Amino acid sequence: KQEVTQIPAALSVPEGENLVLNCSFTDSAIYNLQWFRQDPGKGLTSLLLIQSSQREQTSGRLNASLDKSSGRSTLYIAASQPGDSATYLCAVTSGTYKYIFGTGTRLKVLA
Amino acid sequence: GAGVSQSPSNKVTEKGKDVELRCDPISGHTALYWYRQSLGQGLEFLIYFQGNSAPDKSGLPSDRFSAERTGGSVSTLTIQRTQQEDSAVYLCASSIGPDNEQFFGPGTRLTVL
Repeated sequence: KQEVTQIPAALSVPEGENLVLNCSFTDSAIYNLQWFRQDPGKGLTSLLLIQSSQREQTSGRLNASLDKSSGRSTLYIAASQPGDSATYLCAVTSGTYKYIFGTGTRLKVLA
Repeated sequence: GAGVSQSPSNKVTEKGKDVELRCDPISGHTALYWYRQSLGQGLEFLIYFQGNSAPDKSGLPSDRFSAERTGGSVSTLTIQRTQQEDSAVYLCASSIGPDNEQFFGPGTRLTVL
């Protein structure tokens, strides 16, 4: 059974710092891995999707990497801003169409 | 519409009442998914539709939960005889097909008193 874990559970950093969020999964036979952000009381906003054949994806200040063999993905946020404060979720699919979500990292960027 | 929409955005109901939650997927998306986000439980899969059929209902927590999809578009999640533990945010997502990127709606926050 696929399990997805995110570390740390919560993170508080001063504005401007570069930071790394971690996601690990127990079954390396994944199809896609996707990073989302969720603002309080809101739905999910897709940030980056990495297909199993890819190693990383970049969008603006965000970079996500994938290492299937070790069952890990990292989300790198450069020059963090208060507007980045949210909960970050990673999710994987294993060819069975349903996403298995991680436990999330609550990020707070202090001005 | 441009994205997945859900209604209502908030629903407060009394224990024992039935509720219906609606999802309008992105036009042309054949796959539709329901998830539930409970406090302390994270996000969990409920049901998947391909067209109007639901090949995977494995995540529905009890027989009080049912869902249907008509015309390959709108889906309704029905919860009968609601219980307090049903309180959660119910999220709907759609994708062009299975194993494609899923796009999520804003969710319906259900509170059962």
